[in-house]
Amino acid sequence: QKEVEQNSGPLSVPEGAIASLNCTYSDRGSQSFFWYRQYSGKSPELIMFIYSNGDKEDGRFTAQLNKASQYVSLLIRDSQPSDSATYLCAGTSLDDYKLSFGAGTTVTVRA
Amino acid sequence: DVKVTQSSRYLVKRTGEKVFLECVQDMDHENMFWYRQDPGLGLRLIYFSYDVKMKEKGDIPEGYSVSREKKERFSLILESASTNQTSMYLCASSPEGADGELFFGEGSRLTVL
Repeated sequence: QKEVEQNSGPLSVPEGAIASLNCTYSDRGSQSFFWYRQYSGKSPELIMFIYSNGDKEDGRFTAQLNKASQYVSLLIRDSQPSDSATYLCAGTSLDDYKLSFGAGTTVTVRA
Repeated sequence: DVKVTQSSRYLVKRTGEKVFLECVQDMDHENMFWYRQDPGLGLRLIYFSYDVKMKEKGDIPEGYSVSREKKERFSLILESASTNQTSMYLCASSPEGADGELFFGEGSRLTVL
């Protein structure tokens, strides 16, 4: 079974700082990675996905993938109180399209 | 916008009862999924379906079954509810070929007494 692990958190950052979330995975066949954001009491929503090694930027969010080291990360620049949520990392592989989720990292942005 | 609707937000059932959780999506997605979410364990896949009348076991199918008679509807069935099935159940859908891009319903919080 694939395993996706996230740094345990919780993570508390001041407003305007960079929040850095990390995720490692055990299956070298994993190809695609996804970051979901889940506000308290709400369901997860997709915010980023990354398929290739390197960085992918979308607004204040940057996803980074390093397949050789088997880690994926999410950077949130200029963190805002509205970014306070649990962030879930997930991955799939070519031979198994099911998503495997990490347990999540809770981020609190202090105003 | 994609909408995934789960029939019940909160349910309280007794041990041994049969429980039906219904999920309907309105965007003609091929893929539908049932997850449960528990603190510290993240989301775990129970069952999924890539087509009508088709179902595949996920990582934790024991004690559950599913039904997909129509493309838009995916039901999760607990044949005989047990206390360890107390959890948040999340239904999701995705378009064909985009298995990781899930759209989730609001969730159904089930308590089994």
